[in-house]
Amino acid sequence: EAGVTQFPSHSVIEKGQTVTLRCDPISGHDNLYWYRRVMGKEIKFLLHFVKESKQDESGMPNNRFLAERTGGTYSTLKVQPAELEDSGVYFCASSQFNFYRNEKLFFGSGTQLSVL
Amino acid sequence: TQLLEQSPQFLSIQEGENLTVYCNSSSVFSSLQWYRQEPGEGPVLLVTVVTGGEVKKLKRLTFQFGDARKDSSLHITAAQPGDTGLYLCAGEREYGNKLVFGAGTILRVKS
Repeated sequence: EAGVTQFPSHSVIEKGQTVTLRCDPISGHDNLYWYRRVMGKEIKFLLHFVKESKQDESGMPNNRFLAERTGGTYSTLKVQPAELEDSGVYFCASSQFNFYRNEKLFFGSGTQLSVL
Repeated sequence: TQLLEQSPQFLSIQEGENLTVYCNSSSVFSSLQWYRQEPGEGPVLLVTVVTGGEVKKLKRLTFQFGDARKDSSLHITAAQPGDTGLYLCAGEREYGNKLVFGAGTILRVKS
């Protein structure tokens, strides 16, 4: 069974440009999360989808970030326009839905974003 | 201010030694998870502790959740070079896997 896949693995863009990151969760996983680690700091939560609905987007830093999950399958995270401080590793994670307890979280390998 | 303080940040030891990594917070967590991350990969879940005072063992790794569910530790016995990697603790404050991560501990085990 394929794990969580992210594309691209690396992206180098200039300040002001737009970048779109993609995440394909494990098939059948209703929960999809975006996390990021910037500037050597700790990994931080960005947002959480349950199927196609945004369950929690409290970690999104500002309105330059837009996440979508049309059809409840793969998700995209767009940064427009990118700023220097957006550089870091963006992780996607997924889990099955269970009303009573949290299922195991599976992480992708991440997208290394460098904004120059 | 970091919500989950992880220490030490870096640990370099000889094969066969024991070590302990700590995660401390002033906040209560509903669960505490420990991950291991290899270069170029995402974090991989090792264990989840849920109950205050809970102890879980995974081969040579022993995980403990504090009685008050504010802290946790990871103890490795007789470390091996294959244990080398980045260890992360992550606390869940509310249902939904919205995790708060520690900064991580880079472990290097020399043969």
